[in-house]
Amino acid sequence: QVQLQQSGPGLVKPSQTLSLTCAISGDSVSSNSAAWNWIRQSPSRGLEWLGRTFYRSKWYSEYAVSVKSRISINPDTSKNQFSLHLNSVTPEDTAMYYCVRDVDWGNWGQGALVTVSS
Amino acid sequence: QTVVTQEPSLTVSPGGTVTLTCASSTGAVTSGYHPTWFQQKPGQAPRALIYNANNRHSWTPARFSGSLLGGKAALTLSGVQPEDEAEYYCLLYYSGGWVFGGGTKLTVL
Repeated sequence: QVQLQQSGPGLVKPSQTLSLTCAISGDSVSSNSAAWNWIRQSPSRGLEWLGRTFYRSKWYSEYAVSVKSRISINPDTSKNQFSLHLNSVTPEDTAMYYCVRDVDWGNWGQGALVTVSS
Repeated sequence: QTVVTQEPSLTVSPGGTVTLTCASSTGAVTSGYHPTWFQQKPGQAPRALIYNANNRHSWTPARFSGSLLGGKAALTLSGVQPEDEAEYYCLLYYSGGWVFGGGTKLTVL
């Protein structure tokens, strides 16, 4: 059974970097069939796919156009987890953040409310 | 910028049938877009109901079915129950990433 466990701060100051980690159990971040996504949801922006990382003989990352200049999603094979880094945040980045495996979109992290405020 | 469009709201009577649709600004939705449908109730995370257009999860009631219909992805609820009142989102894959629709608020009345 695949489980995803998120961790990271719930409060980030404007202009700083939002960082979250998603620890995987029951699957491998290096899986050749899964991809590992970050999604967020806010009242103003709705559900928004941010990006994903996946391994297909080599590592790939794909990012939403809306955040492409500010985002990186990185695997950590030694800890079987992946991370989200979103820099230069503004209050508009305040949202509930989820990590999700997109084999069938059935496995989600517990969610983390991240507030951007000074 | 790719846009995925859903009906903003629909109302259905208990026991009735309703079809929610998901359209792409790029043209007809095909299986290659891997249409995925989520249900979200207030205070809860979204939960996947259908993936790859027509595959149910083990937790998805049989009254939910996914299809491709008239160039769109579709989610049909047959024999609607009061507990089906929720927000429904579709998700499509494009080369380079995924895009969510704006959601359909389904009211059971």
